[in-house]
Amino acid sequence: GNSVTQMEGPVTLSEEAFLTINCTYTATGYPSLFWYVQYPGEGLQLLLKATKADDKGSNKGFEATYRKETTSFHLEKGSVQVSDSAVYFCALDLGAAGNKLTFGGGTRVLVKP
Amino acid sequence: DAGVTQSPTHLIKTRGQQVTLRCSPKSGHDTVSWYQQALGQGPQFIFQYYEEEERQRGNFPDRFSGHQFPNYSSELNVNALLLGDSALYLCASSLYSGGPYNEQFFGPGTRLTVL
Repeated sequence: GNSVTQMEGPVTLSEEAFLTINCTYTATGYPSLFWYVQYPGEGLQLLLKATKADDKGSNKGFEATYRKETTSFHLEKGSVQVSDSAVYFCALDLGAAGNKLTFGGGTRVLVKP
Repeated sequence: DAGVTQSPTHLIKTRGQQVTLRCSPKSGHDTVSWYQQALGQGPQFIFQYYEEEERQRGNFPDRFSGHQFPNYSSELNVNALLLGDSALYLCASSLYSGGPYNEQFFGPGTRLTVL
């Protein structure tokens, strides 16, 4: 079946530190890959996406590259802010009609001033 | 432009009861998906509705059922509640294209507690 595995948190960082959250996937086809973010008290928001191998998604200083050879989609940000404190979810979708997302377990990130 | 709205925000039920959760999609969207997010876990796909029909279903028992209305809003019904049904229930809406992924917009969720 399809699955997403991401590093467990919490990840605690100081402001301006470098952030990496690892994500690997297993899929029966060629999925699109996503990072969603859930801020405290808010709904899930799409952070970035990549739809084919070697694509790089980017948004708000975050980046992730679709690596088919390693089935990975690691999230990175060069300099985090306190406002980046949230739970981050890696997800995949196989692109068939219907858009059914498969999520990882989430990684909580806490950025301290 | 209102985003995805869900009601109620919180709900407390006892085992064996039935519950109905409601969702209004983002303006212009015609497809509604429901997800269950247990505490500390990622969301799991329950099912999806388009044109008032269930189009896809995840690995959930028949106790979980739904409905979509002509105005595209949707309900999630859970019968014979179990303690394990306690979770945040998320609704997501999108515009059906029949092809590659269209972004899903999520609502804030309904927190269901089963005692």
